[in-house]
Order: sequence, then structure tokens, then C-alpha cells
Amino acid sequence: QVQLVQSGAEVKKPGASVKVSCKASGYTFTSNDINWVRQATGQGLEWMGWMNPKSGNTGYAQKFQGRVTMTRNTSISTAYMELSSLRSEDTAVYYCARDRSTVTPYYMDVWGKGTTVTVSS
Amino acid sequence: DIQLTQSPSFLSASVGDRVTIPCRASQGISSYLAWYQQKPGKAPKLLIYAASTLQSGVPSRFSGSGSGTDFTLTISSLQPEDFATYYCQQANSFPSFGGGTKVEIK
Repeated sequence: QVQLVQSGAEVKKPGASVKVSCKASGYTFTSNDINWVRQATGQGLEWMGWMNPKSGNTGYAQKFQGRVTMTRNTSISTAYMELSSLRSEDTAVYYCARDRSTVTPYYMDVWGKGTTVTVSS
Repeated sequence: DIQLTQSPSFLSASVGDRVTIPCRASQGISSYLAWYQQKPGKAPKLLIYAASTLQSGVPSRFSGSGSGTDFTLTISSLQPEDFATYYCQQANSFPSFGGGTKVEIK
């Protein structure tokens, strides 16, 4: 079945970086864009950016420009999201989510289970 | 940036009720809107996209309507498994989400 499997929980100190992985299976990895969305505890959803796995093209929310990098390794069908200069406000669950179609982007039909990132000194 | 407003943040309802959840965009977004359901500790689930198209596998008691700036998610007969938080999301430009409406048991 189609699924996205994310890497495990991370604990980081302020100022450090974190890299979360998202491994796709059950479909052709390069056929659908991947989005990253985060959610702080008890809060709403916040979109961070997208990546086209075929071309490597990316688009980032202005809030994260300069701090986020989205990459991929097509040989292992895995997308990555790296966030740098971490601060306590970055403590959240980070999700990867697939666009359901290249024709209608940003409708996210398959989600990973989430990766908890805790930033604490 | 396009802001999405979901009000109320909380909604109390009983099993069998017809429930409507509104979402308002700060500017016109045509029909580029999706609805998601999220249960505690779980990832969001896509219910509706393009304002009114039911995602495959989603029960037909869920429906979406609206265009421009005003949208509605309707649950025709609330079931026990529908108690959750519902988010709208615009896809007209870089995505943004509404603040969510939590549907609670009355």
C-alpha cells in the first residue's frame, strides 16, 4: 500500500540542525511532490514547503526561507527536510505529505505518521 | 499571504446531528480548498479537495461546498468516529491552513 515512513524522534539543542527523512513506498516516488507540514503541541497545522522528487525543485514558506532545506535520494525513494538554527519554538511534530496529483498541487492525500522534534537545552 | 478563518474553534454536537463547519478566506481562492480530519496523535486525513470533491474512500456523509471566500464542510449525520478536529487548507497559492474546528460530543 502507499505509505510514507518517517524517521524517529529527535532531541536537539538550540542552534543545532535536524534532518528528518520520509521514505515512500507503494507508488513511484518521482510522480508526486512531497510537502512538509509541522504542528506544535495543541496547535494547528503549518505548511513549510514542497519538493518535486523528480527535478529536486523546491518552494519554501517565507517564514522558513534560509533555515529549511528539502532534498531527496531517488535511489532509495526518500525525501529529507533539514531545519537549521533550531529554537524552542521549533518543537513540533513534523509531517511529510504527498500531493495527490501533479495537476492539482497542494492537496495532500498520503501523510507520514510524523516525527517529533524537541528543541531543549 | 492568504489567511483562513475557522469559527467556531469548538463545536458540540450529538451523534446523528447534521454539522456544518465554515471556513473563510481573506481573499478569493476560487475552489482551491481542501478539508482534513485529524484525530489526537494521528496525521491529518484528506476528506475533500477542490472545495467539493470527495477523496476516495471517504464516507458520503461528508460534503463540501463554496467558492471564492466562503466554504463549508457538512457532515450529514454525525457518527461516533467523526469526533475530531477539522482543518481547511487553501491551495490557490503556497498552502495555508485554518485554525481548526474541534467537534466535541454534546
